[in-house]
Amino acid sequence: QVQLQQSGPGLVKPSQTLSLNCAISGDTVSNNNAAWNWIRQSPSRGLEWLGRTYYRSEWHNDYAVSVKSRININADTSKNQFSLQLNSVTAEDTAVYYCARGWALDFWGQGTLVTVSS
Amino acid sequence: DVVMTQSPDSLAVSLGERATINCKSSQNVLFNNMESLAWFQQKPGQPPKLLIYWASTRESGVPDRFSGGGSGTDFTLTINSLQPEDVAVYYCQQYYSIPLTFGGGTKVEIK
Repeated sequence: QVQLQQSGPGLVKPSQTLSLNCAISGDTVSNNNAAWNWIRQSPSRGLEWLGRTYYRSEWHNDYAVSVKSRININADTSKNQFSLQLNSVTAEDTAVYYCARGWALDFWGQGTLVTVSS
Repeated sequence: DVVMTQSPDSLAVSLGERATINCKSSQNVLFNNMESLAWFQQKPGQPPKLLIYWASTRESGVPDRFSGGGSGTDFTLTINSLQPEDVAVYYCQQYYSIPLTFGGGTKVEIK
């Protein structure tokens, strides 16, 4: 059974960087048939896909246009995890952040409420 | 981007009755003869849970009262014989193209 365990701070100051990790068990981040996503959810924006990383002989990333200039998703094969970094955050980035596997998103992390506030 | 539009926003159904949720995509989501459409159930404080993928394939462990259908740009999620534990918000999602996009959600309650 695949499990995704999220970690990271729940409070980030405006203009700083939001950083979250998603540790994978029951699968490997370098699985050639998988993709690893970050999604957020807020009352104003609903469920919003942010980006993904996946391995097909080399690493690939796709990002949502809305955050493309501020986002980075990286895989760490030694720790079997992937991470989200979102730079220059504002109050509009306040949301519950999820990691999830696949295209039809079959496994999700538990969610992390991230509040952007000074 | 593929825009996903769900209806209704909410519905109240009596226990044991049927609930039907609609989802319309702004373009076809057909990939290799398979509709790239998933349905999720979300309860408060929990992440979304995958119910249906490829528009009509039930995820392992999902009760058979949940069924998905449709093709082209119009899809439905049907909950037959609504149970108390089915109270939740339901979302559709397309995975035909990037960015992955979700519908706005349908809240199902007991009448």
